Amino acid sequence: AQSVSQHNHHVILSEAASLELGCNYSYGGTVNLFWYVQYPGQHLQLLLKYFSGDPLFKGIKGFEAEFIKSKFSFNLRKPSVQWSDTAEYFCAVKLGAAGNKLTFGGGTRVLVKP
Amino acid sequence: DAGVIQSPRHEVTEMGQEVTLRCKPISGHDYLFWYRQTMMRGLELLIYFNNNVPIDDSGMPEDRFSAKMPNASFSTLKIQPSEPRDSAVYFCASSTSGRSTDTQYFGPGTRLTVL
Repeated sequence: AQSVSQHNHHVILSEAASLELGCNYSYGGTVNLFWYVQYPGQHLQLLLKYFSGDPLFKGIKGFEAEFIKSKFSFNLRKPSVQWSDTAEYFCAVKLGAAGNKLTFGGGTRVLVKP
Repeated sequence: DAGVIQSPRHEVTEMGQEVTLRCKPISGHDYLFWYRQTMMRGLELLIYFNNNVPIDDSGMPEDRFSAKMPNASFSTLKIQPSEPRDSAVYFCASSTSGRSTDTQYFGPGTRLTVL
């Protein structure tokens, strides 16, 4: 069965540190890739999405992602985090060119210490 | 735009009781999704609708769960009878179409506690 996995369940870092969250999926066909963020007590919000073009691209709030097709990975990065980036981050995948079901990874809880 | 609206935001009930969760998708969105979020299983898709018709309910855990969408602006997820293991946050999401590049917009969720 297709799956999405996120490498880290918890990440703790200090403000201004760099953040990288890993995401891998197991599916050999066309995929569309999403990162969602869930701030404490809030609903999921789209951070960025990728379906074609430059595999290294930018999203909102200073986040960027890199899609490495050969490694089935879609990693999220931020060069310098802020305390307000404390949240849970979810990688999600839609499988196939016509897929409309999101399959989520298990999430990574990020705690940024002030 | 008000976004996806869910009610109630919190629900506490006793085992065996019927629970009904409600969702109003973003106006003009043809797809509606119900998800469940738990610590153990993460975010799982339960069921989704296209133009009010259930398309895929393979994620619905068992017969105690049912979902309806009587019109384009309203959907319900019902659990009858509820059990403690149903305790979770239930999210509703909607999207404009079924294209794989479309963004799903999530509601604030309903936190359900079954005692």
